[in-house]
Amino acid sequence: DIVMTQSPDSLALSLGERATIHCKSSQSVLYRSNNKNYLTWYQQKPGQPPKLLIYWASTRESGVPDRFSGSGSGTDFTLTISSLQAEDVAVYYCQQYYSTPVTFGQGTKVEIE
Amino acid sequence: EVQLLESGGGLVQPGGSLRLSCAASGFTFGSYAMNWVRQAPGKGLQWVSGISGSGSSTYYADSVKGRFTISRDNSKNTLYLQMNSLRAEDTAVYYCGKDLDIPYYENLIGYGPPRTWGQGTLVTVSS
Repeated sequence: DIVMTQSPDSLALSLGERATIHCKSSQSVLYRSNNKNYLTWYQQKPGQPPKLLIYWASTRESGVPDRFSGSGSGTDFTLTISSLQAEDVAVYYCQQYYSTPVTFGQGTKVEIE
Repeated sequence: EVQLLESGGGLVQPGGSLRLSCAASGFTFGSYAMNWVRQAPGKGLQWVSGISGSGSSTYYADSVKGRFTISRDNSKNTLYLQMNSLRAEDTAVYYCGKDLDIPYYENLIGYGPPRTWGQGTLVTVSS
């Protein structure tokens, strides 16, 4: 199985600051035939199901604010929130869909300090 | 609007069985692969099982293989998860998810990550 490791486990920032979450896969999730990275990012707010934010590592889901962006390739990926808002308090998960079973990172909790 | 509504969760003793259902609406159900993903209390997300749009192909996590069975009834727009030989470690909120629509020529594993999730149903395995 591909192991997904996120860092940090949690972070607390002030409103308006940039939040950066890292995700590393134990093997590459880049499929060279189509040059796509098989990686998603989800946001989960307390008491709610996860919500898809980003797929193909950098394609923003419809309706997701443009302060959220994904980057990276191969084994190293980043989710960036350019200007943290109060409604962004949540746990964020990366997930690979390159090989079965699909696997998630352990999650990164984002809070407002 | 895509809607997914899980049901069937509850308290069951170790070794018991439970069947979860996920009623889907707002999309052409049989055209999409579907997933079950679970989340133990206070823990992260774990993929459990996936099924192709036709139901002909099924996929399982090793932790549930041989105990859980995923199925679907496209005439009823409903996804199922039959859970047998339940263990305490199966205690979790179970979410059903509608697949991200990945073109077949780009889909490496037969199913994809969930795009839309239900609200979940809680399964508690305890004596």
